[in-house]
Amino acid sequence: EIVLTQSPATLSLSPGERATLSCRASQSVSSSLAWYQQKPGQAPRLLIYDTSNRATGIPARFSGSGSGTDFTLTISSLEPEDFAVYYCQQCTNWPRTFGQGTKVEIK
Amino acid sequence: EVQLVESGGGLVQPGGSLRLSCAVSGFTFSNSWMSWVRQAPGKGLEWVANIKEDGSEKVYVDSVKGRFTFSRDNAKNSLFLQMNSLRAEDTAVYYCAREGGGYFWSWGQGTLVTVSP
Repeated sequence: EIVLTQSPATLSLSPGERATLSCRASQSVSSSLAWYQQKPGQAPRLLIYDTSNRATGIPARFSGSGSGTDFTLTISSLEPEDFAVYYCQQCTNWPRTFGQGTKVEIK
Repeated sequence: EVQLVESGGGLVQPGGSLRLSCAVSGFTFSNSWMSWVRQAPGKGLEWVANIKEDGSEKVYVDSVKGRFTFSRDNAKNSLFLQMNSLRAEDTAVYYCAREGGGYFWSWGQGTLVTVSP
């Protein structure tokens, strides 16, 4: 099973600041990595797939990068609605696995 | 509009059974792989199982193999998750999700399963 480790666990930032979230895989997942956003009481929403492709309707301030075992989700300038928990997920191997999440909170 | 609506959750005793359903609309269900993903209270996401478009292939996470059965009815645009021999660690919100290329594109609102005496 591929283990995904996200860091930091919590990111405290102010609106307008840049957020950089990390996801590290226990073995290479090539570029088969996605990012999801989840707000309290809501289902997750797909933001990024195949490392760097934005899903339909996702604002350009969200971007993804990386390859192999190290990946980054960047939010260029935080909007109030971006404060949430973010998960990475790989689909190279079975089972599909998620990271434990990074909470982006208002400072 | 894509909609996935789960139902069937509730409180069940350890060792008991529960059947979850997911009603789907807004996309061509019969052409889509589908998955169940669960989230224990206050915890992260865990993929549980998926099923091929025609139901001929199913994959399960090890922790539910032999206990959970995933099925679908393409005529009724519906998914089912039969959960037997339930354990406390199965307590979670269960989401059905449309899967494509290994990613989860659309999600339902979830249904809560609580396994407790």
